[in-house]
Amino acid sequence: ESVLTQSPATLSLSPGERATLSCRASQSVSSYLAWYQQKPGQAPRLLIYAASNRATGIPARFSGSGSGTDFTLTISSLEPEDSAVYYCQQRSNWLTFGGGTKVEIK
Amino acid sequence: QVQLQESGPGLVKPSETLSLTCTVSGGSMSGYYWTWIRQPPGKGLEWIGYIYDGAGINYNPSLRSRVTISLDTSKNQFSLRLSSVTPADTAVYHCARDLLHGDFYYGMDVWGPGTTVTVSS
Repeated sequence: ESVLTQSPATLSLSPGERATLSCRASQSVSSYLAWYQQKPGQAPRLLIYAASNRATGIPARFSGSGSGTDFTLTISSLEPEDSAVYYCQQRSNWLTFGGGTKVEIK
Repeated sequence: QVQLQESGPGLVKPSETLSLTCTVSGGSMSGYYWTWIRQPPGKGLEWIGYIYDGAGINYNPSLRSRVTISLDTSKNQFSLRLSSVTPADTAVYHCARDLLHGDFYYGMDVWGPGTTVTVSS
């Protein structure tokens, strides 16, 4: 089982700033990694698949990078509606989620 | 477009079996991994298991002894049974569509809104 560790736990930034979220796997997951956004009371929404591909309808300010054990989700210029919890998830070895990063907009 | 909807009892007694169904509308079930995920109150996401075209099934090792997932393509539904529940199984339960094709992982692109299940006497 691949354990995914996300950091930081919480990120507090102002609108227009750049957000960098990290996801580290305990063993290589190649590019079998996805990122999700979850707002309170809602189901998660797929943002990024195969580590770096934006899902349908996802704004260009969201981007993913990495392979193997280290992955990054970048939000280039934060909008107020980006306030949410972000999860990474791997599909290489069973299926596991990271613990999440909460992004707060000041 | 494809939509998923969970259904089932919102309250289950300890030691009993939790049973949920996910109904798939607007598309075929063929070629996808149909997945159950849960989220305890205030906590993160936990994968429960998935079923693929009725032939491939995988469960979270931590839940394997208590979980059964089944598929009924004639009804466009898949189901979850979790036995011997305790209050620790209280969570929002989501169903989702997952796609892994060859060496490319497309992620879980369609989710149900989730259903809250409380385990309490």
